[in-house]
Amino acid sequence: DAGITQSPRHKVTETGTPVTLRCHQTENHRYMYWYRQDPGHGLRLIHYSYGVKDTDKGEVSDGYSVSRSKTEDFLLTLESATSSQTSVYFCAIKSIGGGDTDTQYFGPGTRLTVL
Amino acid sequence: AQSVTQPDIHITVSEGASLELRCNYSYGATPYLFWYVQSPGQGLQLLLKYFSGDTLVQGIKGFEAEFKRSQSSFNLRKPSVHWSDAAEYFCAVGARGSNYKLTFGKGTLLTVNP
Repeated sequence: DAGITQSPRHKVTETGTPVTLRCHQTENHRYMYWYRQDPGHGLRLIHYSYGVKDTDKGEVSDGYSVSRSKTEDFLLTLESATSSQTSVYFCAIKSIGGGDTDTQYFGPGTRLTVL
Repeated sequence: AQSVTQPDIHITVSEGASLELRCNYSYGATPYLFWYVQSPGQGLQLLLKYFSGDTLVQGIKGFEAEFKRSQSSFNLRKPSVHWSDAAEYFCAVGARGSNYKLTFGKGTLLTVNP
C-alpha cells in the first residue's frame, strides 16, 4: 500500500461538463502520474508531475489538464468532458529509497462515464 | 521511444499447469522492466521488476521472469497455476532518466480452468 487514494471512485457526468479527479498521497513522493485504461489499450500516460507546480504531458494529454499545488495532491481536469474520455483513471507514484526505488505503485482507480 | 508488445491477448490454462506470458520490448538501452497484475475491478499490483543484475527475477505469488537482452524479452512464468491467478497481466518498460515514465503493453487476460 503506497498510501494513494483517488476521489471520486465512480463518477457519471454529461458531455460538456468539467470534471476534476483527485489523487492524494501521504508519503511525500515527488513523482506522480495519471494514466487512463481502456480495453485493448492497456494503460496510457496522460500527464505526470515531477514536483510541486512541475508537470508535463504524456502520450494522450489532449483534452486534459493537471495541477499540483502541493506535494500530496495531483489533480486531473477534463475541461469539457467527451464520451471518448469514458475510461478508468489511475494515479501512480514513483517510490524512492531501498529496493523499491524507481517503481510505480498505483491507486485504486476512478471509473468515469461520460454520457 | 520505447514500446511493449504482449502477443497474446487471451490465454487459457488448466489449474496446475505451467504458464508463460510473453513480453517483448523495444528500447535503445537497458530498460527497467515490470510485470503488474490486475484482478477484475481492482487496481494494478506489482508482481516483479528487473533493473539490473541477475536476469532471472523472482516475484510475489510464485511468479518469475527472465530478462533476455538478445531477444528483447521479459517473459513471465509460473510452474503451477492456481485458480486465483486468473486476472489480466501487464508488462511495462521504463526508460532510465526520462522521469521514470512507463509504457505498458496491452495486457494478457488469463483464464484458469478447473
